[in-house]
Amino acid sequence: AQKVTQAQTEISVVEKEDVTLDCVYETRDTTYYLFWYKQPPSGELVFLIRRNSFDEQNEISGRYSWNFQKSTSSFNFTITASQVVDSAVYFCALRNMNTGFQKLVFGTGTRLLVSP
Amino acid sequence: EAEVAQSPRYKITEKSQAVAFWCDPISGHATLYWYRQILGQGPELLVQFQDESVVDDSQLPKDRFSAERLKGVDSTLKIQPAELGDSAMYLCASSLSGELFFGEGSRLTVL
Repeated sequence: AQKVTQAQTEISVVEKEDVTLDCVYETRDTTYYLFWYKQPPSGELVFLIRRNSFDEQNEISGRYSWNFQKSTSSFNFTITASQVVDSAVYFCALRNMNTGFQKLVFGTGTRLLVSP
Repeated sequence: EAEVAQSPRYKITEKSQAVAFWCDPISGHATLYWYRQILGQGPELLVQFQDESVVDDSQLPKDRFSAERLKGVDSTLKIQPAELGDSAMYLCASSLSGELFFGEGSRLTVL
């Protein structure tokens, strides 16, 4: 079985604040991928990052950073110095590589509102 | 830049009517997915193709939904008859080996 939980339904911040979006996952597979996608109002899901289960190194890309901790089954996403253009719904997702036809399972999403 | 193409972008229909959505994946991507996203929720997989074969349709309501990918390239998702609860965004995605690339989606409203 695979499950992704995003407990934060909606977060509101003021521009330039830092914000962290939480993601907790459940899986019995030892090999899996974790993803973050951004969904702006237009509706398209935009790929942000993929992390495999054997790589726990944190990653930074510009204002975005990701913290992967297998010990707590978490893959949190931090936006530093948020901007209005960051306003969107963000989805965390899990893809088992051993079972379940490798389908991508999404969390329920966190809506981020960044105000000027 | 290669992308997943979907049409129509928006569709309004009355219940009991038939509706169809089309998807053209990124060239060379063997795996194609149809997801349904109800407003306020995350996308849920309806059907997954590997080339022309269905590998997972466990969540597809087969009494009214059908999907095909006859030549292993583009795909069609059909609903007949449409019900009010089918109002949602229908997302198509394709992948080669890693991340999924999504189209802009087809938003269905059933009246």
